[in-house]
Amino acid sequence: SQQGEEDPQALSIQEGENATMNCSYKTSINNLQWYRQNSGRGLVHLILIRSNEREKHSGRLRVTLDTSKKSSSLLITASRAADTASYFCATAETSGSRLTFGEGTQLTVNP
Amino acid sequence: DSGVTQTPKHLITATGQRVTLRCSPRSGDLSVYWYQQSLDQGLQFLIQYYNGEERAKGNILERFSAQQFPDLHSELNLSSLELGDSALYFCASSVEGTRVETQYFGPGTRLLVL
Repeated sequence: SQQGEEDPQALSIQEGENATMNCSYKTSINNLQWYRQNSGRGLVHLILIRSNEREKHSGRLRVTLDTSKKSSSLLITASRAADTASYFCATAETSGSRLTFGEGTQLTVNP
Repeated sequence: DSGVTQTPKHLITATGQRVTLRCSPRSGDLSVYWYQQSLDQGLQFLIQYYNGEERAKGNILERFSAQQFPDLHSELNLSSLELGDSALYFCASSVEGTRVETQYFGPGTRLLVL
């Protein structure tokens, strides 16, 4: 079963707009990671945020983590058509290094 | 390119058969993970190896087994295949596999059981 839920399940925006995806999880975590998957292909690691961090930036990506609410958000600014993909959050629990994935958000950026 | 390689890319087989999926981790990575992605179950952790030894087990069926060899490549063996085993199988690797680390994923093997 999945650890968390992602919201929304699908998001469609225009190029240049910002996209925000949310992830909720259930257990105590060591870190939370975001991955991107282009249609049926491999997972590309985007960013890792540790449980003692609240916000992290990488290029056009901004990730926040609220451990009290057990939630995280991924913001993609100035989106491009090439950002079209599924985005997954994955948590690593305090007891080990296995990743538990959310169900993903399908992002479509229209040119 | 993550540096993790998986072969084959695609596999079509029949129910009851056995297949072997192969993974080579990034250079220097000691830990290998196997994940299964299916439409109904999503992405699920199967098993982890570290330097040749099993470290953690997830939702892996008894019909499935894995091993990591001295050269650190890993194989996932799926036997008595059922239609429901059709999925994308990913291998990931990380340096030590014991704490907060990025896992780098391979391109996956798409298995279709007919």
